[in-house]
Amino acid sequence: QVQLVQSGAEVKKPGASVKVSCKASGYTFTSYGISWVRQAPGQGLEWMGWISAYNGNTNYAQKLQGRVTMTTDTSTSTAYMELRSLRSDDTAVYYCARVPANLHDAFDIWGQGTMVTVSS
Amino acid sequence: SSELTQDPAVSVALGQTVRITCQGDSLRSYYASWYQQKPGQAPVLVIYGKNNRPSGIPDRFSGSSSGNTASLTITGAQAEDEADYYCNSRDSSGNRNWVFGGGTKLTVL
Repeated sequence: QVQLVQSGAEVKKPGASVKVSCKASGYTFTSYGISWVRQAPGQGLEWMGWISAYNGNTNYAQKLQGRVTMTTDTSTSTAYMELRSLRSDDTAVYYCARVPANLHDAFDIWGQGTMVTVSS
Repeated sequence: SSELTQDPAVSVALGQTVRITCQGDSLRSYYASWYQQKPGQAPVLVIYGKNNRPSGIPDRFSGSSSGNTASLTITGAQAEDEADYYCNSRDSSGNRNWVFGGGTKLTVL
């Protein structure tokens, strides 16, 4: 079945970096985009950015420009999100979501989420 | 503007109809998508496009749009529909950027 499986929880110190993976299965990876979305504890959803698994094109949320990098490895059907210079307000659950080209920009399949805790 | 506005909380009596709204300038150009999120779970897509439901989503969920406002309607709300609901759409920049509404907590009484 179509699924996105994310890497496990991380605990990082302020100023460090984190890299979260999102492994796709059950579909042709390069035919879709991947968006990353985060959710701070008790808060709403925040869009972080998008990457085309076809050609690697990216768009990032303005507030994260310069700190976030999204990449894909088509040989393993895996997307990655790296966030640098971590701060306490980066503590959140991070989700990857599939973005089909023909679904009016909806996010149709989501990963299970990865908890990232930033604490000294 | 690149913001989507939702009411923070809405309640509905069991079996009644409820409408959850989402307002924003980007909705004049792009469809809203709607997501249901239950505590401790990832969001689930419930409505996309003009009024489309992914496989497995009950037909009591429907969507509509007028001007800068998109709506999610649940006709005959069930106890299991109690959840947070989020809208999202592309933003007005023309790039592949998205924005989420702040979410609506639905309580089924």
